[in-house]
Amino acid sequence: DIQMTQSPSSVSASVGDRVTITCRASQGIRSWLAWYQQKPGKPPKLLIYEASNLQSGVPSRFSGSGSGTDFTLTISSLQPEDVATYFCQQAGSFPFTFGPGTKLHVK
Amino acid sequence: QVQLVESGGGVVQPGKSLRLSCAGSGFTFSSYGMHWVRQAPGKGLEWVAVITYNAVTKYYGDSVKGRFTISRDNDKNTLYLQMNSLTAEDTAVYYCAKDRQLLSVLDHWGQGTLVTVSS
Repeated sequence: DIQMTQSPSSVSASVGDRVTITCRASQGIRSWLAWYQQKPGKPPKLLIYEASNLQSGVPSRFSGSGSGTDFTLTISSLQPEDVATYFCQQAGSFPFTFGPGTKLHVK
Repeated sequence: QVQLVESGGGVVQPGKSLRLSCAGSGFTFSSYGMHWVRQAPGKGLEWVAVITYNAVTKYYGDSVKGRFTISRDNDKNTLYLQMNSLTAEDTAVYYCAKDRQLLSVLDHWGQGTLVTVSS
């Protein structure tokens, strides 16, 4: 199975800051990576698919990049409503696996 | 708009069985793969299973393989998860989710149903 790691496990930033979260796969998955945002008590929400494609309705301050084993989610200008946990998910092979999550706090 | 509504959760004793359902609406249910994902209290996401649009192909996570069965009824726009031989480690919120395409990403999620395995 493909193992997914994320760093950092938690991050605190100020409104307006640029925030970067990284995700690494234990083997190459080409661009088969997605990013999800989960707020407390809510289901996850798809942000990015196929590493860099913005899901419809997601603000343009979110972007994704990478391929192979290393991927990045960037929030260009942090907003208060971005407080959440962010998960990456590989779709390169079954069973699909998620990263452990990155909890984002606003200072 | 896409709606997914899970049901069937509850408290069940270890070793027993439970069947979850997920009713889909607002999209052509029979044209999309469907997933189950679970989340133990305070923990991360664990992918459980996927079924293709026509139910021909199914894949499972390692921790549920041989105990859980995913199925669907396209006439009823409903996805199922039959869970057998339940243990405390199966305690979680179970989400159903619609596949975006090609069995890749999960683009719409239900609100989840809580399964608690306890004696």
